[in-house]
Amino acid sequence: NAGVTQTPKFQVLKTGQSMTLQCAQDMNHEYMSWYRQDPGMGLRLIHYSVGAGITDQGEVPNGYNVSRSTTEDFPLRLLSAAPSQTSVYFCASSYGRLLNSPLHFGNGTRLTVT
Amino acid sequence: SQQGEEDPQALSIQEGENATMNCSYKTSINNLQWYRQNSGRGLVHLILIRSNEREKHSGRLRVTLDTSKKSSSLLITASRAADTASYFCLTGANSKLTFGKGITLSVRP
Repeated sequence: NAGVTQTPKFQVLKTGQSMTLQCAQDMNHEYMSWYRQDPGMGLRLIHYSVGAGITDQGEVPNGYNVSRSTTEDFPLRLLSAAPSQTSVYFCASSYGRLLNSPLHFGNGTRLTVT
Repeated sequence: SQQGEEDPQALSIQEGENATMNCSYKTSINNLQWYRQNSGRGLVHLILIRSNEREKHSGRLRVTLDTSKKSSSLLITASRAADTASYFCLTGANSKLTFGKGITLSVRP
């Protein structure tokens, strides 16, 4: 039982490049979400999903796309990387759709955009 | 805008002392959760308190919830150096779960 797995752990991109951050969970959780964490800003919600085929925007969705084709996977796509997207990205999942059970976090992806 | 706001922003105490952290929120909630983050790691769930509960304990942790004041507190008793971390409260409306900016706790040996 691996929990929430994020890959890669580190990534450096040049401005304008695109990439996908991977997130997978093996707990059959309905709820999955992506956060970015910047110094002094806490964690901000980018996108979330309450089940396969369902996604919605969070607080800071611009520049990011998501899809949820399976229960297990919730990739985050950066369409055209910008230096403002330099951050640490966390994926989290939870049983159920509401704030009724704990979030399980991955160990994060540290992204630098030059 | 963020739903949960913690205070103080930073707290430094001596090992063995108690640490109290507060979280305030703006709208009605079903539950409130507290998380810990060690440097460079993901967040770890500490405790969940439901809106119909006023107090909850887990080991050295005690959480209270006052829905009339829209606030919660996390008390860590007999702190240890290993408690040094950032602490976050999590609140949510529907499925949009929002963290506060966190409290940095330093426990001096």
